[in-house]
Amino acid sequence: GIQVEQSPPDLILQEGANSTLRCNFSDSVNNLQWFHQNPWGQLINLFYIPSGTKQNGRLSATTVATERYSLLYISSSQTTDSGVYFCAAPQGGSEKLVFGKGTKLTVNP
Amino acid sequence: SQTIHQWPATLVQPVGSPLSLECTVEGTSNPNLYWYRQAAGRGLQLLFYSVGIGQISSEVPQNLSASRPQDRQFILSSKKLLLSDSGFYLCAWNPSWETQYFGPGTRLLVL
Repeated sequence: GIQVEQSPPDLILQEGANSTLRCNFSDSVNNLQWFHQNPWGQLINLFYIPSGTKQNGRLSATTVATERYSLLYISSSQTTDSGVYFCAAPQGGSEKLVFGKGTKLTVNP
Repeated sequence: SQTIHQWPATLVQPVGSPLSLECTVEGTSNPNLYWYRQAAGRGLQLLFYSVGIGQISSEVPQNLSASRPQDRQFILSSKKLLLSDSGFYLCAWNPSWETQYFGPGTRLLVL
């Protein structure tokens, strides 16, 4: 099955800094999603981005499907950005997602 | 709008006791429903997947089972809990191919 790997596993920033999170996947995909899990455990869908670039406020994501990776950019980070960021891709041709192990982001004031 | 509920929010159970976690979705019909477990170390593991009433796909052989007695209700059960069943259990549904929405989760501690 598909393998999803994320880097770095941990990231510590000062408020206001920018960051880039990476997701590599082993097979071609037609569905790539980014999620944020806040410190209380709630998972929120950030982007559906099988290819190209999308932006939502201070967050943007780019997927280069031909090279099997996706990047999540966080600009002017805030303490509320802290948590774990996951990327996920479908298993085979199904709607079942395989998640990476996540990047734990800590933004200090 | 659609919402997803899980209960209980937290649970502490002794080894060998039974388990029942409930997930319900409001505001939609015939959703695909999922149970995930998140153990320490952050990864999410898909446990069960359901496309309709009574239709359950088990992803990982384990001490758990799932049932879908109603269209928008998904239940995770165990007859006898093990220490290794401790974790954070998340229910999710997807309205489309493009996204999944997660419930607030249940934290289970087996002692």
